[in-house]
Amino acid sequence: KAGVTQTPRYLIKTRGQQVTLSCSPISGHRSVSWYQQTPGQGLQFLFEYFSETQRNKGNFPGRFSGRQFSNSRSEMNVSTLELGDSALYLCASSLGPGTWGYEQYFGPGTRLTVT
Amino acid sequence: GIQVEQSPPDLILQEGANSTLRCNFSDSVNNLQWFHQNPWGQLINLFYIPSGTKQNGRLSATTVATERYSLLYISSSQTTDSGVYFCAVEYEVIEGAQKLVFGQGTRLTINP
Repeated sequence: KAGVTQTPRYLIKTRGQQVTLSCSPISGHRSVSWYQQTPGQGLQFLFEYFSETQRNKGNFPGRFSGRQFSNSRSEMNVSTLELGDSALYLCASSLGPGTWGYEQYFGPGTRLTVT
Repeated sequence: GIQVEQSPPDLILQEGANSTLRCNFSDSVNNLQWFHQNPWGQLINLFYIPSGTKQNGRLSATTVATERYSLLYISSSQTTDSGVYFCAVEYEVIEGAQKLVFGQGTRLTINP
């Protein structure tokens, strides 16, 4: 069974631009969560989607948004990029809502650099 | 919110040595996972262990939920074990919605 896939793997953008990252969960998984990893803040939760509904959101500004499609694929969007948005963005999938009783599996990540 | 603390932050060992990594958490949790982050950034699942003990080859983990800690044991370390090990706990933010909260990680370096 294929793992979680994320595209693109690497991305370079300039300040003020916007970016869209994509995540395809493991087949049969309906929950997708997004995390940001930076050297200073570590791994931080962004948001989680299940059945096309956002179930939870971390403490990030409104410039960070996401959505989930009927096939469980998810996208996250960051508008008006700032230098501090440079990070590794990780997507995780699990079978059920939240992660209650279900193990989360992570994709390889998208490394975003904002110049 | 919940606090997750990992110790030690850095650990340097010779190949063949054994190691113990610790994860303390400040509140009751529904789930706990251990991950190894490879040099390319991907988080590799090691254990899903809300309680009890599990073993997988040279690795084993124990979680004592009532005392709010988990331990990851690595025996006969190999250079390929190098990397950052994360503990992540799941707790209920609002009913029905949960998230993983990560510790800051333990950076393990195994020298040949």
